This record gives sequence, structure tokens and C-alpha cells, in this order.
Amino acid sequence: EVQLLESGGGFIQPGGSLRPSCAASGFTFSTYAMSWVRQAPGKGLEWVSAISGSGDATYYADSVKGRFTISRDNSRNMVYLQLNSLRAEDTAVYYCAKGRLTWGSGGSFDLWGQGTLVTVSS
Amino acid sequence: DIQMAQSPSTLSASVGDRVTITCRASQSISSWLAWYQQKPGKAPKLLIYQASNLESGVPSRFSGSGSGTEFTLTISSLQPDDFATYYCQHYNGYFFSFGPGTKVDIK
Repeated sequence: EVQLLESGGGFIQPGGSLRPSCAASGFTFSTYAMSWVRQAPGKGLEWVSAISGSGDATYYADSVKGRFTISRDNSRNMVYLQLNSLRAEDTAVYYCAKGRLTWGSGGSFDLWGQGTLVTVSS
Repeated sequence: DIQMAQSPSTLSASVGDRVTITCRASQSISSWLAWYQQKPGKAPKLLIYQASNLESGVPSRFSGSGSGTEFTLTISSLQPDDFATYYCQHYNGYFFSFGPGTKVDIK
């Protein structure tokens, strides 16, 4: 079955770290760019970070640059998002998403995981 | 950075209605636009890519049009399963920007 399954969210204090992960199955993982998109409670969608299929190129939204790090392990069909220096405004459901095309960023996102909730609070 | 705007923010409609949602970009984005549907507690679902291409498996009552700075998503005859929030998204290389969303609720 073609799917993405996130895990690793949780409750963390401001300034802390967390590493959500996303397990992919049912497609040739290494040929697709992957992204993380987040959604704060009751708010809209915000693209956070993307990584190329080979993993040699990474991209970040200005709001997380320098604090978050995206990575992938193509041998395990996994993508990760290291969250450091967390702030209350990082509280959100974090979705991983697959690019639709096998070149570049893949364009639009044709497959999404169910999301994992990260709550930053003291 | 390119900003995306959507109108209306909320739309009340009845089953069978024709519904149109507008998305505007702060500058020309050619046809690099997608539309997503999201239901409460669920992940977004891709409906339309490259402004007017229907994603596989999406009902034909959904259609997209436009280019440059103005785009529309049309639902030709609203069905009970279509009550949801709809987002447009601009993509260009590794730049992605979502609109604020349009909630379609029951009139």
C-alpha cells in the first residue's frame, strides 16, 4: 500500500528538541522529493522544509531556518525533521508529504501522512 | 516572496449548488498552482495540479482554471462529501506557499 506514516511527535518544553519521523511505503522512495508541512491548531497549512530524492539538497522556510534540520535515509525509506530550539509557535500537526513528480521538488504533494502533533509548552 | 490570497474565507452552500473559490497570487505564477481539500482531523488531499489538471481518482465535478495571478476551483454540483476546507498552493522549484483556505459549510 502506498502510504506515509509519521511518528515522534509529543509534548516538549520551550527550548527543547524533538525528531518526528516519517516512514514511506509502496513507492520508489529515493526518486521523490519529500516535504514537511505543518498546521497550527485551527490555522492553515505552512510549508516547513523539503529534501531532494537523493538527500543532497535541503530547503527551509524562513520561520524555521537554523532551528530545524530535514534528513532522509533512503535505505530505510524514512524522512526525519530534527526540531531544535522549539518555541510555543511551533506547536502544530506536522505532516510529511511526497512530491508528485520524480524530478526536482516534485511540484504539488500527492501523498500525505496522517500527521504527528508537536506541542511546545511550559 | 509570493503571497497567496483566497476568497471567500467562508462559503455557505447547499447540496447541488455550483461553488467557485478564487485564489490570487501577488505576482504571476504561470500555472504552478495546486488545490487541496482538507476535512477536520485529516490530512489534505490533492485535487488539482498545474492549475487545471485533475488528480487521479478525484471526481469530475471538481475543476480548476486560471493562469498568471488569478485562479478558480469550481465544484459543479456540491455533494455532502465536499463540505471541507480548500487550500490553494503555489509551487515553483523548492518554494511552496499556501493560501489561507476557504471553508465550505452547509447553508
